[in-house]
Amino acid sequence: GAVVSQHPSWVICKSGTSVKIECRSLDFQATTMFWYRQFPKQSLMLMATSNEGSKATYEQGVEKDKFLINHASLTLSTLTVTSAHPEDSSFYICSARGGAGQGETQYFGPGTRLLVL
Amino acid sequence: AQSVAQPEDQVNVAEGNPLTVKCTYSVSGNPYLFWYVQYPNRGLQFLLKYITGDNLVKGSYGFEAEFNKSQTSFHLKKPSALVSDSALYFCAVSGNSGYSTLTFGKGTMLLVSP
Repeated sequence: GAVVSQHPSWVICKSGTSVKIECRSLDFQATTMFWYRQFPKQSLMLMATSNEGSKATYEQGVEKDKFLINHASLTLSTLTVTSAHPEDSSFYICSARGGAGQGETQYFGPGTRLLVL
Repeated sequence: AQSVAQPEDQVNVAEGNPLTVKCTYSVSGNPYLFWYVQYPNRGLQFLLKYITGDNLVKGSYGFEAEFNKSQTSFHLKKPSALVSDSALYFCAVSGNSGYSTLTFGKGTMLLVSP
């Protein structure tokens, strides 16, 4: 149980294009989903927290117009990197929390490697 | 503000020997403590958590962690390391209700040699 998937697992795009990453909780309902960014050999940096049906809460320094988050259902959240640039290249990881029996534990997706050329 | 310290960037241990990965924390109220493991180019896998109750928590893959309130520590342990345990380990804390955001340590790379 408590499986979170992400798609795509990796993506290469040209500078200026937009990229959408999907995060799904496969076997539980995720009241809250989180988006993190991880640089090589560093810890996870929380970008935003989203609750189903409401606007995401962004961490300080994260541009909400740059990183669009949608949490339209209890099993799906999407992160869209708009007008991507090389400095947006990173490993993006989502996590999900909630549902009966899951309590306060966050379960993480496998991550999406983004490379912007 | 809550914080987590993992004082070791890397821990080296021989296969079959016991391992310890250290973690100390700072948080308001009762801590909710977690350990996650990350393999290369993968997301984080949940290992174990402490919410309340017994200070010794047992988790996945034979790992356990001991909550020590006086020392504000939550060290990860395993009696006998395997080469396949080699990975990046993260300690994390959230405060009060446990439904606040997680704060992660910087991670400790565990290398188990054959």
